[in-house]
Amino acid sequence: KQEVTQIPAALSVPEGENLVLNCSFTDSAIYNLQWFRQDPGKGLTSLLLIQSSQREQTSGRLNASLDKSSGRSTLYIAASQPGDSATYLCAVFAWGSQGNLIFGKGTKLSVKP
Amino acid sequence: GAGVSQSPRYKVAKRGQDVALRCDPISGHVSLFWYQQALGQGPEFLTYFQNEAQLDKSGLPSDRFFAERPEGSVSTLKIQRTQQEDSAVYLCASILTGGGGELFFGEGSRLTVL
Repeated sequence: KQEVTQIPAALSVPEGENLVLNCSFTDSAIYNLQWFRQDPGKGLTSLLLIQSSQREQTSGRLNASLDKSSGRSTLYIAASQPGDSATYLCAVFAWGSQGNLIFGKGTKLSVKP
Repeated sequence: GAGVSQSPRYKVAKRGQDVALRCDPISGHVSLFWYQQALGQGPEFLTYFQNEAQLDKSGLPSDRFFAERPEGSVSTLKIQRTQQEDSAVYLCASILTGGGGELFFGEGSRLTVL
C-alpha cells in the first residue's frame, strides 16, 4: 500500500530564506507527483505537477524535483515571503487497486516578516 | 464553470441527520474524486468516478456514505445518520482525462456534526 510521508511537519523561517520541503513515498510505481498549497479553511491549490518521466518542474520561486527510484521529492522555495505561509501537501497518483491520489499529511510553513 | 464548485461550504448537522454535499466539477472534466480531510491531516480518498461510473469506492468509511454522479457531471456525496466522527472537510476534485494529470480541487464543504 502506497504511503506518503512529509518532513518536517511544521517549519518556521524568517523572510528571505530559501527552504526545502521533503516528501517520500513507498511505492515507486507512480504516474505523477503533485505539490499543493492549502491556506486555512480553503481548498487545495495545485503548485507543480511532475510526471513520472520528469526529474523536476519549476514555477517562479518554486522548484520541485522527483527521484522515483528512491521514492523522494523535494519542494524548494526560494526567497521565502510571508505570503508563502500555508500548508504544503505532496501527493502521488498511482492507478491500480487504489486508483487515486495519495496524500502526505503536509508541512505547515510559517514565514516570519 | 471556471473552477470546481462545492456547496454548501459549511454544514452543521445534528447527530443522526442525513446530509448531502454537492460538487460541480470543471466543465468537461471526465474524472471526479471525493476526499475527506480531518483537522491537521492530509486528504483521504473516498471515491472516484469516471463520467457517471463509480470506479472505486474503496475509501468510503461505511455504508452510511453514498456518492453518485448520474449524468457524469455534478456529483453528490450523501452521508446518512451522521456521526460525530464524520465531522471533516469534504473535498471534491476533478481532472480532465482518465489518465494521470493535474487535479483541481474545490474549496470543500466543512461538516460539523453535533
